Amino acid sequence: GAGVSQSPSNKVTEKGKDVELRCDPISGHTALYWYRQSLGQGLEFLIYFQGNSAPDKSGLPSDRFSAERTGGSVSTLTIQRTQQEDSAVYLCASSLRGTYSYEQYFGPGTRLTVT
Amino acid sequence: GQQLNQSPQSMFIQEGEDVSMNCTSSSIFNTWLWYKQDPGEGPVLLIALYKAGELTSNGRLTAQFGITRKDSFLNISASIPSDVGIYFCAGGDDKIIFGKGTRLHILP
Repeated sequence: GAGVSQSPSNKVTEKGKDVELRCDPISGHTALYWYRQSLGQGLEFLIYFQGNSAPDKSGLPSDRFSAERTGGSVSTLTIQRTQQEDSAVYLCASSLRGTYSYEQYFGPGTRLTVT
Repeated sequence: GQQLNQSPQSMFIQEGEDVSMNCTSSSIFNTWLWYKQDPGEGPVLLIALYKAGELTSNGRLTAQFGITRKDSFLNISASIPSDVGIYFCAGGDDKIIFGKGTRLHILP
């Protein structure tokens, strides 16, 4: 079946502009995660959605970052007033609630470049 | 909070060699996962471990959930060029955290 998809694959934006990154999780997966990966670095947790529960926003680096998940499926990560330090690959993952809920399946990522 | 230490950071090996990498945590984990990331791609799940002492293989890859529940290792036997990439461990209890990765390079 289809995996996690993300769009756009690449985004170049000017400093100060807002950007929206989209994630389509695997159908039926109730949990959705956003991570940030800077060049050559590990995965930095940003936000986690699980079903209808309040999202875990503990990883968002500033109030310029926000995310929503509509209808328990598609998610959008919004970065307002982008800064050069926001340049990174933004990865989305989804997982199935239950015994294997920790097995996260990742999308290909969106590479964001802020000029 | 929970901390995860993954080592080594980088490995340079000859094709055909066996590889071993490990992760240790500051607290007891109920789950250990191993992922591989190729350049320009998202991480791909290789092996998932849910029981202390569990030893699981996936082709040439073998991973174990440590008895203390605070560590896990991943072995790759007879490495081949396509094994190049970044290997991440991940683990946790109610929340999963990721290690910083082991970058595997294969010398020509």
